[in-house]
Amino acid sequence: AQKITQTQPGMFVQEKEAVTLDCTYDTSDPSYGLFWYKQPSSGEMIFLIYQGSYDQQNATEGRYSLNFQKARKSANLVISASQLGDSAMYFCAMRMDSSYKLIFGSGTRLLVRP
Amino acid sequence: NAGVTQTPKFRVLKTGQSMTLLCAQDMNHEYMYWYRQDPGMGLRLIHYSVGEGTTAKGEVPDGYNVSRLKKQNFLLGLESAAPSQTSVYFCASSRGLAGPAGPQYFGPGTRLTVT
Repeated sequence: AQKITQTQPGMFVQEKEAVTLDCTYDTSDPSYGLFWYKQPSSGEMIFLIYQGSYDQQNATEGRYSLNFQKARKSANLVISASQLGDSAMYFCAMRMDSSYKLIFGSGTRLLVRP
Repeated sequence: NAGVTQTPKFRVLKTGQSMTLLCAQDMNHEYMYWYRQDPGMGLRLIHYSVGEGTTAKGEVPDGYNVSRLKKQNFLLGLESAAPSQTSVYFCASSRGLAGPAGPQYFGPGTRLTVT
């Protein structure tokens, strides 16, 4: 069965430090995409970063990078130089290239301390 | 570039009333989706559409209807609102299945309360 697991319900990080949010996935399909979304307290779902299953290099978008380890089926999000505005819920998600369906993890709530 | 927009942003209904939520996207996406998110939970798919004039059921379709008369619009209807439908509703859109799976882009959400 296709599944996303986020084992950290909540995390703290000091402002300006880096933080890694864990995500593991399970699928037997070779073609898929992995995504991270941010949901701040205001409620909107903001797309952060995407990694394709065939991409050779880890995706980066500004202070966000995705540590993609295909053999371990992990897709951890790394946020560098944390800012107070990074405090939010973060969801890892997966979608097969052949499917409409976006599968979400349960989320990790990140709190950045000043 | 507006992306995905939703109207209204907030609404309070009484049990039994009906309403329609409107979603619009300007990215020329083939696929559109309606989700609901309840407190402390992830998103659950209500209905989705793979193109103009087509709709399909998601995980939790009961009590909702949808229509996609135009490619850029996706409407979610509640025929007879119930308190169990109190939730935050998100619309999303994505490109179709040609090529690698792309992200779904979400609207800002509609907070609905049914009393």
